Amino acid sequence: DGGITQSPKYLFRKEGQNVTLSCEQNLNHDAMYWYRQDPGQGLRLIYYSQIVNDFQKGDIAEGYSVSREKKESFPLTVTSAQKNPTAFYLCASSIAGGLNNEQFFGPGTRLTVL
Amino acid sequence: GDSVTQMEGPVTLSEEAFLTINCTYTATGYPSLFWYVQYPGEGLQLLLKATKADDKGSNKGFEATYRKETTSFHLEKGSVQVSDSAVYFCALSGSARQLTFGSGTQLTVLP
Repeated sequence: DGGITQSPKYLFRKEGQNVTLSCEQNLNHDAMYWYRQDPGQGLRLIYYSQIVNDFQKGDIAEGYSVSREKKESFPLTVTSAQKNPTAFYLCASSIAGGLNNEQFFGPGTRLTVL
Repeated sequence: GDSVTQMEGPVTLSEEAFLTINCTYTATGYPSLFWYVQYPGEGLQLLLKATKADDKGSNKGFEATYRKETTSFHLEKGSVQVSDSAVYFCALSGSARQLTFGSGTQLTVLP
C-alpha cells in the first residue's frame, strides 16, 4: 500500500535535547512538507522541499532543521533552540508543489518535552 | 497574503441534522480550495476539493461549492452521522503554491 509513515507516534524528550522525527513516503512524490499543529489551531508550515537536496523555510522554521537526501525521506530535527516544541507534527507529500495538487498526510508524531 | 477564515467551533449536532461549516478566503489569483478532515489522534485526510469557480466538490455526502463572488467554500452535509465527528479544516493553494489552512472546526455529532 502506498502512503506516508511517520515514526514514532509518541515521543518524549528532555529539555535541551535534539530529537529527529522520521517521515517516509512511497508515493513517488517530489514535494514533502512538515507542519506543526497546536491544540485548537490550524497547521503551520515549518519546512518544505520541492526536490531532493533542496528545501525551503516555512512560516515557523526557527529551532528546526531538515534534510532531503532521498526522494522518499524528509526527517525533521527539533533542536534545543526551539522554545516550545511540545506539539503534534504532521508530514505531508504531494506530486509537485504547485496549484491543484492535494497533499497527502501521515498519521503524525506527538512530541512532548518533559 | 493568503488567508482562510473558518466558522468557530465547537459545533454540536444531533444525528441526521443538517451541517454547514462556513469558510471564506482571501487570495490573489485563482486558488484551489480544499476541505480536510482530521479524526482524533490522526493525520489529515482530503475530504473534497474544487479547482475553479463554480466547481462543486463532493465526497461521502459532503459538498462544497467554490464561490468566487463571495470568496467562500462552505462545507455542507444533509444528514450527519456520529462517525462524522472530527475536526474539519478549510484550506487553499494559491499563488505561493503552498497550502494555507483555517484554524479548524470541531464537530461533535450526538446519537
